[in-house]
Amino acid sequence: QSVLTQPPSVSGAPGQRVTISCTGSSSNIGAGYDVQWYQQLPGTAPKFVIYGNNYRPSGVPDRFSGSKSGTSASLAITGLQAEDEANYYCQSYDSNLTVVFGGGTKLTVL
Amino acid sequence: QVQLQESGPGLVKPSQTLSLTCTVSGGSITSGSYYWSWLRQPAGKGLEWIGRIDTSGSTNYNPFFKSRVTISKDTADNEFSLKLSSVTAADTAVYYCARVIGGPLFDYWGQGTLVTVSS
Repeated sequence: QSVLTQPPSVSGAPGQRVTISCTGSSSNIGAGYDVQWYQQLPGTAPKFVIYGNNYRPSGVPDRFSGSKSGTSASLAITGLQAEDEANYYCQSYDSNLTVVFGGGTKLTVL
Repeated sequence: QVQLQESGPGLVKPSQTLSLTCTVSGGSITSGSYYWSWLRQPAGKGLEWIGRIDTSGSTNYNPFFKSRVTISKDTADNEFSLKLSSVTAADTAVYYCARVIGGPLFDYWGQGTLVTVSS
């Protein structure tokens, strides 16, 4: 069982907006540690799409955004495109000096 | 551009030790404010952090693996390695090496290598 909790799946039609939640606790997200988000296409290594809670690396479309509040974080994708279909993972750090991940969310573009 | 490449046996027998190496190119594992990390992903499941080593050689492990895992580095060959002892079928997974900065953020990843534990 993952330390961070994500919904197993979300879906949306092309052009729509979807959000993926990531719930932690007072020992990780709530302790002030940053949240990162990774996109994983089938058969490939994860690639970060959001870092430091809400920063987007170069090359990632501005349709991707991140936010954090309290013990939770969210990834939002607007203007959904077929190429966004992938598994998404949130990741943070825990006060016991451990890197923690969410269980992953499968995004389906209808 | 930093690149990482995992290598090692794809098949390990139960109770034996899994050994993998990550070769880094495009940057030195002894410079900068980076850590070098191992993660794994069982088929159809999520990511698990195994541990990390910093530029000075200090290590930090996931308590779940702590009694079985050793991460080390070879600065001459710009590589770092993973050893996981007493493996069982539950250790079958794709193993990734990655560079870590800040947050911690895994910014560069290897392509991953599948290790199957089976007799």
